[in-house]
Amino acid sequence: GAVVSQHPSRVICKSGTSVKIECRSLDFQATTMFWYRQFPKQSLMLMATSNEGSKATYEQGVEKDKFLINHASLTLSTLTVTSAHPEDSSFYICSARDGSNEQFFGPGTRLTVL
Amino acid sequence: RKEVEQDPGPFNVPEGATVAFNCTYSNSASQSFFWYRQDCRKEPKLLMSVYSSGNEDGRFTAQLNRASQYISLLIRDSKLSDSATYLCVVTFTGFQKLVFGTGTRLLVSP
Repeated sequence: GAVVSQHPSRVICKSGTSVKIECRSLDFQATTMFWYRQFPKQSLMLMATSNEGSKATYEQGVEKDKFLINHASLTLSTLTVTSAHPEDSSFYICSARDGSNEQFFGPGTRLTVL
Repeated sequence: RKEVEQDPGPFNVPEGATVAFNCTYSNSASQSFFWYRQDCRKEPKLLMSVYSSGNEDGRFTAQLNRASQYISLLIRDSKLSDSATYLCVVTFTGFQKLVFGTGTRLLVSP
C-alpha cells in the first residue's frame, strides 16, 4: 500500500511554545489529507480535512487559529499547534487519500506538553 | 449517542478461540464500513472492508446489517499476533470523513 510519513514521531515541549508536525505522502500524490487526534483509550477524532491549495475544513469544536494547517503541495501537509498547553498532549495522526479513496495513515506523532 | 459504538473490552481469549466483535452506528446515511486494527501506540491499519453480502479474508469474517445498523467481525483460530485494538469505522458520501469507534481490545493468551 501507499506510504505516509510523519515527522517528528515524538515531541516534548514547554507550555506556550508552538509545534509543527509534517505529514508526507511518499509514493503518491494526495489532494486530500486528514488530521486526527487520539487521546488515551479514546477513538481517533477527525480534527480537520486539508485540501491542497485551499483552506482546511475544521471539525466542530476544533480551533482553527490554534491548529494551523497548511497543505502547500500534493505530498505535504503540516499541522502547527500554536501556544501548546498540557491539554493538547495527544497522539496526532495524519492520513492521506490516494486515487482509490483508501486512506493511508502516518505513524503518528506523540506530543507531550509540559 | 456516539456515532459509532463498540464494546471496549478487553476480550481475553486463549489461542485457537473464536471471538466476535460487534459495532453499531447511528447515522443511517453511512455508506462504507471498515474494520481497522491498531496496535499499541501505532497508527491504525485497514483490516478489511465490510459489505452487506459479508466478506471473508482468511480467518476474518465481516458482516454488515444495514437494517439494524450493525457491523460484526469474527476472528477464528485466534493467534497471539491478533492481540490489538479493533476499530469499527464508517464513512459517508464521498469517502471523505472516517468516523472511528473507540475500539475493542483483544488479548490472545497462550
